[in-house]
Amino acid sequence: VQLVESGGGLVQPGMSLRLSCAASGFTFNNYGMHWVRQVPDKGLEWLTVISFDGQKKYYRDSVKGRFTISRDNSKNMLFLEMSSLRTDDTATYYCAKGVKLATSINFDSWGLGTLVTVSS
Amino acid sequence: DVVLTQSPLSLPVTLGQPASISCRSSQSLVYSDGNTYLNWFQQRPGQSPRRIIYYVSRRDSGVPDRFSGSGSGTDFTLQISRVEAEDVGVYYCMQGSHWPGTFGQGTKVEIK
Repeated sequence: VQLVESGGGLVQPGMSLRLSCAASGFTFNNYGMHWVRQVPDKGLEWLTVISFDGQKKYYRDSVKGRFTISRDNSKNMLFLEMSSLRTDDTATYYCAKGVKLATSINFDSWGLGTLVTVSS
Repeated sequence: DVVLTQSPLSLPVTLGQPASISCRSSQSLVYSDGNTYLNWFQQRPGQSPRRIIYYVSRRDSGVPDRFSGSGSGTDFTLQISRVEAEDVGVYYCMQGSHWPGTFGQGTKVEIK
């Protein structure tokens, strides 16, 4: 299993950013996929999950309405569209492989992460 | 949200000695299907987290058998029977029984 995130960088508060995750080594369209973030030198926070077919999406309250998860099964890609970014969204964002044919909050593989810095 | 409280937050250990990390939940983690979705993750310095234990006590593939998980309801424990140098890092418990999933604060394991 390989998960490679990209799209992070420095962005001003209130702006938008789109993260991508390229997946390989498993049957991508069979698995729920997640985004999890880690504030620098702090703990981990689960953000959102998308079902294997993209039909179901769930978010934690703090990002609901600002973040949108999506996937392209034809290209084995996962995305996270982030808008109205705040300074407290500064973190390393990881994509993670979830459970087969389910949106349960459990993940057995993580990517290397991409750093998002929100600052003026 | 369910709060997971880990202790200790810092754990200096002598090589070859055992280590134990506690994870206490603010609610029972027994899900309606009877399963308990409590996982443990290891994050070595400079690396991404890696799941080592799922469903309380099942070891992931490739995880040495010196790692074991136990517990039920609201109290869970990760044990390392004999700490090795490669075990240095931060360990997190995580629950998936209640929405949204939540993590403990992390326990930093270091060698004395």
